[in-house]
Amino acid sequence: QTVVTQEPSFSVSPGGTVTLTCALTSGSVSTSNYPSWYQQTPGQAPRTLIYSTNIRSSGVPDRFSGSILGNKAALTITGARADDESDYYCVLYMGSGISVFGGGTKLTVL
Amino acid sequence: QVQMQESGPGLVKPSETLSLTCAVSGDSVSSASYYWSWIRQPPGKGLEWIGYIYYSESTSYNPSLKSRVTISVDTSKNQFSLRLRSVTAADTAVYYCARESAYSFDHWGQGTLVTVSS
Repeated sequence: QTVVTQEPSFSVSPGGTVTLTCALTSGSVSTSNYPSWYQQTPGQAPRTLIYSTNIRSSGVPDRFSGSILGNKAALTITGARADDESDYYCVLYMGSGISVFGGGTKLTVL
Repeated sequence: QVQMQESGPGLVKPSETLSLTCAVSGDSVSSASYYWSWIRQPPGKGLEWIGYIYYSESTSYNPSLKSRVTISVDTSKNQFSLRLRSVTAADTAVYYCARESAYSFDHWGQGTLVTVSS
């Protein structure tokens, strides 16, 4: 069974840049997986940040960007702010109507 | 403005069936443009995709849950529903409904906590 993996935690300084990744335990991530990224703060529903690898959802600032880096999907946050401190999840489309969430990354801004 | 609202019992006994409904406003579940999904999140853990239904009533389910899950749609009420059979404590979670477009989830309900306990 293919699993989608993310860094469990990451830390970034205010104003800094951080890249979170999303990988497959078997194989490479490509645009055909249509990677999407979500931000979730405690007690809230997830918010869509990026879909189809690199398209920002409506209202998402351009500090957030998506890409494919090597064999992984990536979410880059530039100019990190205190309110970026959240959990971040990726989703990969695996074909045949199946989507899989990554385990999530807890981002700390300090 | 699309809005989605989950509803259903907050407490279900082990071995029984969990049933939730998602009411949709601002869009139609009969739309051929979207898929209507269920996603869950156990307390303190990550998100898990459960499955979706399309306007044609075709469905797709998470293979790990497929034997216990049914998603259905009621176009007359503009809502869709989740049934999860034979629940255990491991099914305790916040359950979200969401609209899926372009292989991503672009609108979410606020979520509803379902606890499995006797």
